[in-house]
Amino acid sequence: QSVLTQPPSVSAAPGQKVTISCSGSNSNIGNNYNYVSWYQQFPGTAPKLLIYENDKRPSGIPDRFSGSKSGTSATLGITGLQTGDEADYYCGTWDSSLSAVVFGGGTKLTVL
Amino acid sequence: QVQLQQWGARLLKPSETLSLTCAVYVGSFSGYYWTWIRQPPGKGLEWIGEINDSGTINYHPSLKSRVTLSLDTSKNQFSLKLTSGTAADTAVYYCARRNCGGDNCRFDYWGQGTLVTVSS
Repeated sequence: QSVLTQPPSVSAAPGQKVTISCSGSNSNIGNNYNYVSWYQQFPGTAPKLLIYENDKRPSGIPDRFSGSKSGTSATLGITGLQTGDEADYYCGTWDSSLSAVVFGGGTKLTVL
Repeated sequence: QVQLQQWGARLLKPSETLSLTCAVYVGSFSGYYWTWIRQPPGKGLEWIGEINDSGTINYHPSLKSRVTLSLDTSKNQFSLKLTSGTAADTAVYYCARRNCGGDNCRFDYWGQGTLVTVSS
């Protein structure tokens, strides 16, 4: 049971937009000092940083990927979906009550 | 380009100690949290703990009693030991760098992962 809650799966057609939600609590996402990051993971490979500081993209990440945070939830948005975006996506942040990094359970994106 | 390369025993018997090491190539070893994360087969990511060169160590509460993290700054390496292994510890273990700018932290570099299986 993950501390952060993500939908197990989402799907959309190529070229469309999809959003992935990440729900937490006041001790993690809801704390203004706890920033959310998002990771993309292809099968058999290590996760890759996609979004940090709630909405910032590392160098090399296309602007089709976006992040936002509001209250105790965060959202990853992907526009102009490509088949190469099919992967698992994870949100993560610090939990001030646990004094630990916590992740969502992951969301499998299928581009139909 | 920062690179993390990890190694360690891949097959353990129940009750044995899991031991992994991660070497950091290129870039500074100082100023970051050096972290271990695991992922059971078909499941999500679980943070194990982290250590920095200032002596700060943070552990996941559920694993704290079994985990030891250490750092060798002379070799730019850090290590994980997890005692009393059980089948529930079977997972891919990743080392990673947690880069924090104030309260803003993220895992920006990852090792290749090591599948560790605990089985009799």
